[in-house]
Amino acid sequence: DAGVIQSPRHEVTEMGQEVTLRCKPISGHNSLFWYRQTMMRGLELLIYFNNNVPIDDSGMPEDRFSAKMPNASFSTLKIQPSEPRDSAVYFCASSPRDRGMSKNIQYFGAGTRLSVL
Amino acid sequence: GENVEQHPSTLSVQEGDSAVIKCTYSDSASNYFPWYKQELGKGPQLIIDIRSNVGEKKDQRIAVTLNKTAKHFSLHITETQPEDSAVYFCAASIGAGGTSYGKLTFGQGTILTVHP
Repeated sequence: DAGVIQSPRHEVTEMGQEVTLRCKPISGHNSLFWYRQTMMRGLELLIYFNNNVPIDDSGMPEDRFSAKMPNASFSTLKIQPSEPRDSAVYFCASSPRDRGMSKNIQYFGAGTRLSVL
Repeated sequence: GENVEQHPSTLSVQEGDSAVIKCTYSDSASNYFPWYKQELGKGPQLIIDIRSNVGEKKDQRIAVTLNKTAKHFSLHITETQPEDSAVYFCAASIGAGGTSYGKLTFGQGTILTVHP
């Protein structure tokens, strides 16, 4: 399995531009998570999807951020308009959530390093 | 909500020594505690996990211990090697089931450096 695939790996953009980050989860996984990682705040959960439905978006910082999961094999995180404080590494993770095991191992992608100038 | 504190923030050891990283959590309902290793330029990868009905778990050179009463858990790496150098994250979760989806709350991370 190729694992969780994120694109692009690096993105440099100017303030005010729209940014779209992409994620392909591991085939068969029904849970998907978007995280943001910064030195100051560490790893923060932005949004969680289960079976393509957003379940918890309480971590989305503001209305400029939106996420979609149109099907089981693709998700996007969009920032519009982008600001310098959005600069961070954004990770996507997927999980074969199994209620019976009472745990969900999350498999992370390599991340997208976003720089907003 | 859950709060996870991790210490130390940096740890430097000589090759062959042991390394210990400690975490505390606030929500007594948490019952699943994974540890992730993040190498430079990569995403976090699970290295070991423990559930609340177990006090200790070992996998070769790494082990995790859990004290539910005190609400803390620790990662132990023995016979450290330079390739163990990375950032390590602990996390806590109310395991998936019922109304919980197993949200992970991460600690702030520990930068481990193993000197040859």
